[in-house]
Amino acid sequence: GAGVSQSPSNKVTEKGKDVELRCDPISGHTALYWYRQSLGQGLEFLIYFQGNSAPDKSGLPSDRFSAERTGGSVSTLTIQRTQQEDSAVYLCASSFKLPSTDTQYFGPGTRLTVL
Amino acid sequence: DAKTTQPPSMDCAEGRAANLPCNHSTISGNEYVYWYRQIHSQGPQYIIHGLKNNETNEMASLIITEDRKSSTLILPHATLRDTAVYYCIVREFYFGTGTSLTVIP
Repeated sequence: GAGVSQSPSNKVTEKGKDVELRCDPISGHTALYWYRQSLGQGLEFLIYFQGNSAPDKSGLPSDRFSAERTGGSVSTLTIQRTQQEDSAVYLCASSFKLPSTDTQYFGPGTRLTVL
Repeated sequence: DAKTTQPPSMDCAEGRAANLPCNHSTISGNEYVYWYRQIHSQGPQYIIHGLKNNETNEMASLIITEDRKSSTLILPHATLRDTAVYYCIVREFYFGTGTSLTVIP
């Protein structure tokens, strides 16, 4: 079946520009996660959506970062006024969010380069 | 707070068992232990998970201590394709920096 997809796969932008990154989760998955991974580093949690509940935004590094999830499916991560330190791979994952099985399925990521 | 501790790197000879340890001394009673791996330039991939019993699937085995404060992921016959970063997590958001496993020919 179809996995998690992300677009674009690569994005190069100039400092100060806004960017939008898209995530299409696996159909039926109620939970959706955004992470970022800087070069050579581990995964850094950004934001989490679960069903119709208010998202957990505790990982967003600044107010330049925001995300929404429309219709409980597709999600968009927006970074305003990009900075060079925003350069990273942005990973999206989704899961069924059941007590006994909460496996996250990851997309291939979007590599963002801010010049 | 990653809540897990893993060695930063390990080597393993091809064909031998790779045993990757993870400490999770503050794990709660209802928190599962999950293992993922990330091969260079790809998104993390699920390997296995467990609560308190040992688990085995086609990829690996997971041994969880009786007090649940640590676990070991076992790749029974490591291949070169198992070279990756392995993450042990007990809270869904916190992946830490994992263990970089290198399988040596």
